[in-house]
Amino acid sequence: EAQVTQNPRYLITVTGKKLTVTCSQNMNHEYMSWYRQDPGLGLRQIYYSMNVEVTDKGDVPEGYKVSRKEKRNFPLILESPSPNQTSLYFCASSFGSHTEAFFGQGTRLTVV
Amino acid sequence: DQQVKQNSPSLSVQEGRISILNCDYTNSMFDYFLWYKKYPAEGPTFLISISSIKDKNEDGRFTVFLNKSAKHLSLHIVPSQPGDSAVYFCAAGRSVGSSNTGKLIFGQGTTLQVKP
Repeated sequence: EAQVTQNPRYLITVTGKKLTVTCSQNMNHEYMSWYRQDPGLGLRQIYYSMNVEVTDKGDVPEGYKVSRKEKRNFPLILESPSPNQTSLYFCASSFGSHTEAFFGQGTRLTVV
Repeated sequence: DQQVKQNSPSLSVQEGRISILNCDYTNSMFDYFLWYKKYPAEGPTFLISISSIKDKNEDGRFTVFLNKSAKHLSLHIVPSQPGDSAVYFCAAGRSVGSSNTGKLIFGQGTTLQVKP
């Protein structure tokens, strides 16, 4: 089954404690992307990757890091989380940014 | 600066009628646009897309119209069904030469409620 898998689905953490949200896809997609969804702001792109070892900033990259060492995985790293990073996060993959993207189920992150 | 705007936070229509969701953008360099639907507790799912070389794209009950001069696109759902009740996001991106830049800008979303 074609899917994008994010883990964990829910996470509560404390300010400053490094965390990683994993994202994996099984469709051999080249393009992967991370978004956060906040009330009234819609989806905002954090980082994207056009291919292995190729990543670039989206609209709201501050406080986040990503890596793309292999095609299927695109982890999102918060080196020092802060309360303003409390949000719902989505990972997505597609063959290109202009084509149909498949989204993961989301990760609800709370930073206290 | 919100480059992609969905000015109606919500829309309510009767089952069987037409739903029209609107999206405005400010950057004339955008040349492809997508619509996604999102149910609660799920990730968004792709609905339909359009490139700037077209002014209309149709897929079953869903049609997207693009008015480049007005920098406006709309999604029409005909006929609307209760299962269409969801949040709808429009998104825009641009190409550089023959490549896509990879950056996508989403609107704030419109919550559609279709009443039986």
